[in-house]
Amino acid sequence: EDQVTQSPEALRLQEGESSSLNCSYTVSGLRGLFWYRQDPGKGPEFLFTLYSAGEEKEKERLKATLTKKESFLHITAPKPEDSATYLCAVQAGRGGGADGLTFGKGTHLIIQP
Amino acid sequence: ETGVTQTPRHLVMGMTNKKSLKCEQHLGHNAMYWYKQSAKKPLELMFVYNFKEQTENNSVPSRFSPECPNSSHLFLHLHTLQPEDSALYLCASSQENWRQGPSGANVLTFGAGSRLTVL
Repeated sequence: EDQVTQSPEALRLQEGESSSLNCSYTVSGLRGLFWYRQDPGKGPEFLFTLYSAGEEKEKERLKATLTKKESFLHITAPKPEDSATYLCAVQAGRGGGADGLTFGKGTHLIIQP
Repeated sequence: ETGVTQTPRHLVMGMTNKKSLKCEQHLGHNAMYWYKQSAKKPLELMFVYNFKEQTENNSVPSRFSPECPNSSHLFLHLHTLQPEDSALYLCASSQENWRQGPSGANVLTFGAGSRLTVL
């Protein structure tokens, strides 16, 4: 059974304090790993897709990396507007969820001014 | 309008009521999904439609009934719900269902959700 575990569940940082969110996964044949951002009262918003170990992608203050067992979402010098819940999901090559996407519970990130 | 639009945004219903959630996408996507999001739980896939045909039903109770009249509209009909069905119901669409397209085509665009409270 495919599994995605995100840690920590919640993280409170000061503005400018860099940190990383972790997404550990177990999947039979990874086709892709996805990061989404969800703001209160809104649906998840797509950030990145990573396909193979060693791949990295960046967008503004966010950088996502992938190994064979986990992904990290690095946040550099965050600002209050980066506060959100960050969701990780994996797409299996075979089986997995009905649409191949298995989600983690998310990390609730708060950036204090 | 652009993106994925869900109505109503908030819904309160009794256990004996019948109501419907509506989703509309203006992205030209071919696949549409219903997800349930409960506190402290991962997103749970409920239904998948690809080119208007239901391709997956993820063991959802029959009190939830989906309808997809065309590739742009998706409904979730609700009746005799239970209090534990209270949750945020999210609609999403993608260019292609993952079974048919390359990995890159399965990026989901979500609506803002319908917050359902069952009394």
